[in-house]
Amino acid sequence: QQQVKQSPQSLIVQKGGIPIINCAYENTAFDYFPWYQQFPGKGPALLIAIRPDVSEKKEGRFTISFNKSAKQFSLHIMDSQPGDSATYFCAARPPGAGSYQLTFGKGTKLSVIP
Amino acid sequence: NAGVTQTPKFQVLKTGQSMTLQCAQDMNHEYMSWYRQDPGMGLRLIHYSVGAGITDQGEVPNGYNVSRSTTEDFPLRLLSAAPSQTSVYFCASSSTATGEDTQYFGPGTRLTVL
Repeated sequence: QQQVKQSPQSLIVQKGGIPIINCAYENTAFDYFPWYQQFPGKGPALLIAIRPDVSEKKEGRFTISFNKSAKQFSLHIMDSQPGDSATYFCAARPPGAGSYQLTFGKGTKLSVIP
Repeated sequence: NAGVTQTPKFQVLKTGQSMTLQCAQDMNHEYMSWYRQDPGMGLRLIHYSVGAGITDQGEVPNGYNVSRSTTEDFPLRLLSAAPSQTSVYFCASSSTATGEDTQYFGPGTRLTVL
């Protein structure tokens, strides 16, 4: 049973566009929702994270929007650049668990074309 | 700090061979994990450890063994490799001691089983 569903699988946008990646979760007890960014040949790295007591979090050009009632959260990348081309993973964690117990989505491969 | 290091970077095995994937971290993190990444499948947890001498199974543990004799090292053993174990393997570490909630990933080992 997949607990975190991520869409789309791949996304192509032009430079300056605003790609949006969506995730839906099933377990209402999840209390921490990070996004990881992975460049080819590298390990994933934490990009931004949110907890369910806020509806939005911004860090630079990256924004997480969180809808608790719909059990959905999304990543928006403002003014996207070719250097943002990477695979993005959403994840969720149960309460009281460590980060080692994250459940990951299947990933979205983003390509930003000049 | 070197962070999380993994060796080897690439490995080709024949079916039935055994090998150990090495993982080390120099951040004094108590938690360490092994994931496998397959196309379209995201990151799946194989085994994890919450401290030296303590390990537990993740989502896909079959065919893999782990041990944690020191805080720094968390090797992953394939006792009898199968083609289904062809994948990219990532080791990660994390800690709650600093108040952070971040997993730090190594650069990965690309394993091919013929």
